Amino acid sequence: DTAVSQTPKYLVTQMGNDKSIKCEQNLGHDTMYWYKQDSKKFLKIMFSYNNKELIINETVPNRFSPKSPDKAHLNLHINSLELGDSAVYFCASSQVPGETYEQYFGPGTRLTVT
Amino acid sequence: AQSVTQLGSHVSVSEGALVLLRCNYSSSVPPYLFWYVQYPNQGLQLLLKYTSAATLVKGINGFEAEFKKSETSFHLTKPSAHMSDAAEYFCAVRNTGGFKTIFGAGTRLFVKA
Repeated sequence: DTAVSQTPKYLVTQMGNDKSIKCEQNLGHDTMYWYKQDSKKFLKIMFSYNNKELIINETVPNRFSPKSPDKAHLNLHINSLELGDSAVYFCASSQVPGETYEQYFGPGTRLTVT
Repeated sequence: AQSVTQLGSHVSVSEGALVLLRCNYSSSVPPYLFWYVQYPNQGLQLLLKYTSAATLVKGINGFEAEFKKSETSFHLTKPSAHMSDAAEYFCAVRNTGGFKTIFGAGTRLFVKA
């Protein structure tokens, strides 16, 4: 059973389009995250939700909007896609937002904007 | 604010040789420290973590790391490298009581036959 799953795995789209990435975890965790990994492998936190409440909201363009319908799901919607949005986006989850708990990562969604 | 520095973006070792990946952190409060591994086209997975219980931490696949407060370091080692260890390794830090985990820039490990 996949612990943290993301769909789609690959996403190729044109500039200006709107797209969504979905994430689901079956670990019973309270907290979920979105990270962006650029071409140099640098990993940057974008958002985090704890029990459907936004607890981390980094400085990202407001074209990016997370939505958490329940604590097992965290989706990422991106409006008006730009070339610079091309990256791998990882969803992750953890039992609670802090303390000693590690994060469990999904397989990633490779977004290519042309 | 906390930060992580990984020395060396690329490390190359021969199969059977010692693996040493360096990580230094900066934190104003006692930190939690983590090492994650990322294999090609996969997500990150936890290798080991330091949570103040013991300074020498053993992880999966024969890796271990030692927390040295005086040196603000948390270097990752493995006595004998295998070809299957070739991957990207990330050191990460989180402050006690904090929500945000900060990742280092990563070190790519190459293992030569």
